[in-house]
Amino acid sequence: ETGVTQTPRHLVMGMTNKKSLKCEQHLGHNAMYWYKQSAKKPLELMFVYNFKEQTENNSVPSRFSPECPNSSHLFLHLHTLQPEDSALYLCASSLNPRGGTGELFFGEGSRLTVL
Amino acid sequence: KQEVTQIPAALSVPEGENLVLNCSFTDSAIYNLQWFRQDPGKGLTSLLLIQSSQREQTSGRLNASLDKSSGRSTLYIAASQPGDSATYLCAPRGASGSRLTFGEGTQLTVNP
Repeated sequence: ETGVTQTPRHLVMGMTNKKSLKCEQHLGHNAMYWYKQSAKKPLELMFVYNFKEQTENNSVPSRFSPECPNSSHLFLHLHTLQPEDSALYLCASSLNPRGGTGELFFGEGSRLTVL
Repeated sequence: KQEVTQIPAALSVPEGENLVLNCSFTDSAIYNLQWFRQDPGKGLTSLLLIQSSQREQTSGRLNASLDKSSGRSTLYIAASQPGDSATYLCAPRGASGSRLTFGEGTQLTVNP
């Protein structure tokens, strides 16, 4: 069982659909992150949760809605997306940097295609 | 705002060569710096993490160095193998333990 698990691995959706990405970590971490990776661009931080509380929102459009019910699970709810939102969405976790090294561990990503 | 540059953008070498990947960052007030590898279409795998108080870290054939004052880190790969082919990313974390900032990566190809 990998440390950080993301489902689904691939998702194709229309612009009017509503879908969710799921992330689960089994590492005992207390911080979780969503990143977006588009072609030819560096990874972009979207959201950070520490101890289930959102501590960063990097000016992400409201059509992306995160949810963190507990320290082990993180969701990204998607609705009314645009084709330019097609990308690899990566989840990561770490111990809170103030209490540990903050070393980041990533999942395998969810490849999203918006038609 | 932290900016990270990785040079070269792409590198192709024959198997067995020793090689150096470079990372520079504009804000030297960092908490730590992490090196990752990414295989095509996959997530990132953590390779090494260097705390701001450290000068280098080693793991197997990999050695990462950090010169915080000059805003530079290097990843040294000894005796490269085809399995090392991947994109290598460096990411310094801000001094307050805040966000990581990623470079665009170095795409490495090791030819048999």
